[in-house]
Amino acid sequence: AQKVTQAQTEISVVEKEDVTLDCVYETRDTTYYLFWYKQPPSGELVFLIRRNSFDEQNEISGRYSWNFQKSTSSFNFTITASQVVDSAVYFCALTETDSWGKLQFGAGTQVVVTP
Amino acid sequence: DAGVTQSPTHLIKTRGQHVTLRCSPISGHKSVSWYQQVLGQGPQFIFQYYEKEERGRGNFPDRFSARQFPNYSSELNVNALLLGDSALYLCASSLDGRRANVLTFGAGSRLTVL
Repeated sequence: AQKVTQAQTEISVVEKEDVTLDCVYETRDTTYYLFWYKQPPSGELVFLIRRNSFDEQNEISGRYSWNFQKSTSSFNFTITASQVVDSAVYFCALTETDSWGKLQFGAGTQVVVTP
Repeated sequence: DAGVTQSPTHLIKTRGQHVTLRCSPISGHKSVSWYQQVLGQGPQFIFQYYEKEERGRGNFPDRFSARQFPNYSSELNVNALLLGDSALYLCASSLDGRRANVLTFGAGSRLTVL
C-alpha cells in the first residue's frame, strides 16, 4: 500500500522568508514517481514537479527547489524568498509505475505568505 | 490552448438525487481521471479511463460510475447522493508515453448536497 504524509497542516511566513514543506512517503514498489502540486484558492491543481525513484538529483527551478532522499523516503520542497502569490495549498503525491493515472495525495500544507 | 474544462462549476443537490459531472480533456489527451476532494483533505482517486476503457477504480461505492466517450470527454455519475458526497470533483487528463502520469487538472465541479 502506498501512503503520503504531509505533517505540516499550515505554515505562515512573512514575505521574503524561505518555506520548506515536508513530505514522507511509503511504497513497496522500487519504481515510483513523486510529485508536487499547488492549489491556489481558485481550486485548480497546478503541476510543479515530477521525480522518479531512480533520480535522486536535487533540482532547483527559480525560487523552487526539491530535495529527494530515498534513504529517508522524503521529498521536501522549498520556496526561497516567498511572495504573497505563493499562498496556496501544496500537495505531495505518489504514483507507482503501473498506476500512472492514479495519484496518492497527501493531506496538503496550507502556505500563507503575508506582506 | 484550452485546458481541462469541467461543468458545471457549482451545483446544489438534495440527498437521494442523482448528479452528472462532465469533463473535456486537453486536445490530444486520451486518459481522463476523476478525483474527489473533500474540504481540508487531499484529492482521492475515483476512476481512470483510457481509450474509453476503465483502467482503474478507487475505493468508492457502486453509486459512483463514469464513462468516456469517443472524443475522450468523460462523465462522472453519482446516484443516491449522500451528505458526505459534498466535495470538489476534479477531472484530470494526461498524454500517453513518458508524460502519462503528469496529470493536468481542471478547476473542478463543487457539489453541495443538502
